[in-house]
Amino acid sequence: EDQVTQSPEALRLQEGESSSLNCSYTVSGLRGLFWYRQDPGKGPEFLFTLYSAGEEKEKERLKATLTKKESFLHITAPKPEDSATYLCAVQEKAGNMLTFGGGTRLMVKP
Amino acid sequence: NAGVTQTPKFQVLKTGQSMTLQCAQDMNHEYMSWYRQDPGMGLRLIHYSVGAGITDQGEVPNGYNVSRSTTEDFPLRLLSAAPSQTSVYFCASSYSVPGQGYEQYFGPGTRLTVT
Repeated sequence: EDQVTQSPEALRLQEGESSSLNCSYTVSGLRGLFWYRQDPGKGPEFLFTLYSAGEEKEKERLKATLTKKESFLHITAPKPEDSATYLCAVQEKAGNMLTFGGGTRLMVKP
Repeated sequence: NAGVTQTPKFQVLKTGQSMTLQCAQDMNHEYMSWYRQDPGMGLRLIHYSVGAGITDQGEVPNGYNVSRSTTEDFPLRLLSAAPSQTSVYFCASSYSVPGQGYEQYFGPGTRLTVT
């Protein structure tokens, strides 16, 4: 059974204080690992898909990396508008379903 | 493009009532899915469809029905609502990247309360 664990559950940062969010996964053959951002009262917003170990993708202050067991979402010099819940999900090669982690709630204070 | 749209945004039902949550997408995506999101449980897949006329069960399908008669629409039916179905429901549509995975886009959600 696929498992996805995100840590920490919540993270408070000062504006400009860089940090990383972790997504550990267990899957029998990874087809893709997905990162989403979710603001309160809204649907998840797609950020990145990573397909193989060693792959990296960037978008503004966010950079996602992937190893064989985990993915990191690095946030460089965050701003208050980066405050949101960040979700990680995996899709295995054999299926069509995504398995989501519980999310990391990020709060960036000015 | 409107993307993925869901109606209604909010709904209150009494136990035993039935209703249909509507979902539509205008991106010609082949895959569509329904999730529920509960505090402490994350997003869990209810049902999904890989194309018109094809549906399959996800992780938590009991109490829900789906059908996919067109590419654009994927309604979710609650047959006899129960308080345990109080949740936020998200519809998503996806397209596949050949040889890899797919990219998935979510609707704004329907907040359902069953009393």
